Amino acid sequence: QLQLQESGPGLVKPSETLSLTCVVSGDSISTSAHYWAWIRQTPGKGLEWIGSVYYNGNTFYNPSLKSRVTVSVVTSKNQFSLNLRSVTAADTAMFYCARHGCSGGNCHPAWFAPWGQGTRVTVSS
Amino acid sequence: SYVLTQPPSVSVAPGKTASITCGGDDIDGKSVHWYQQRPGQAPVLLIYYDKDRPSGIPERVSGSNSGNTATLTISRVEAGDEADYYCQVWVGTSDHWVFGGGTKLTVL
Repeated sequence: QLQLQESGPGLVKPSETLSLTCVVSGDSISTSAHYWAWIRQTPGKGLEWIGSVYYNGNTFYNPSLKSRVTVSVVTSKNQFSLNLRSVTAADTAMFYCARHGCSGGNCHPAWFAPWGQGTRVTVSS
Repeated sequence: SYVLTQPPSVSVAPGKTASITCGGDDIDGKSVHWYQQRPGQAPVLLIYYDKDRPSGIPERVSGSNSGNTATLTISRVEAGDEADYYCQVWVGTSDHWVFGGGTKLTVL
């Protein structure tokens, strides 16, 4: 059964870099046909897709966050990571990782399933 | 940017049918996916590609997409269906994915 688990610091200071890791079990990132995604949720803005990565390092980023975001993959550890730079209080959120799935051959990433349980990150000094 | 509009709340009596809409310009030209999020839990995929159900999702959950509105329909609503529901699409022009603002379903 595919499972994803986020980890990282729950508190980050303003202007610093938020770093999170998602460990995948039950599927191999390096052989999967799917992308792997980060999504955040805030009371004010709801669900917001951040970025997605493929096993070969190919990425998609939300245009509104692209200048501050890096999503990368470490296939040897079957995990992928998020770095969000120059954070402010507005980046306080619940962060989720998810498989960015699709169906059919050579399919384009479409939906998100399953999701990790999420990790809450607060930006505060 | 592409905006998906959902009603903030929908209320329905047990046993009745709930319809949750997701509006967007020519949304029928896109594939719509729906998620359920119960309090304190992560979202769960309910419907993908407008109307397909992942394994484990009951047949009383269905989706449709026409014109400028996609609709999630839940028949024979139960107390356990009380949750937040989100629609989501891919915006091809800029290769990014967007969510609707969410609808809170209340079972009366």
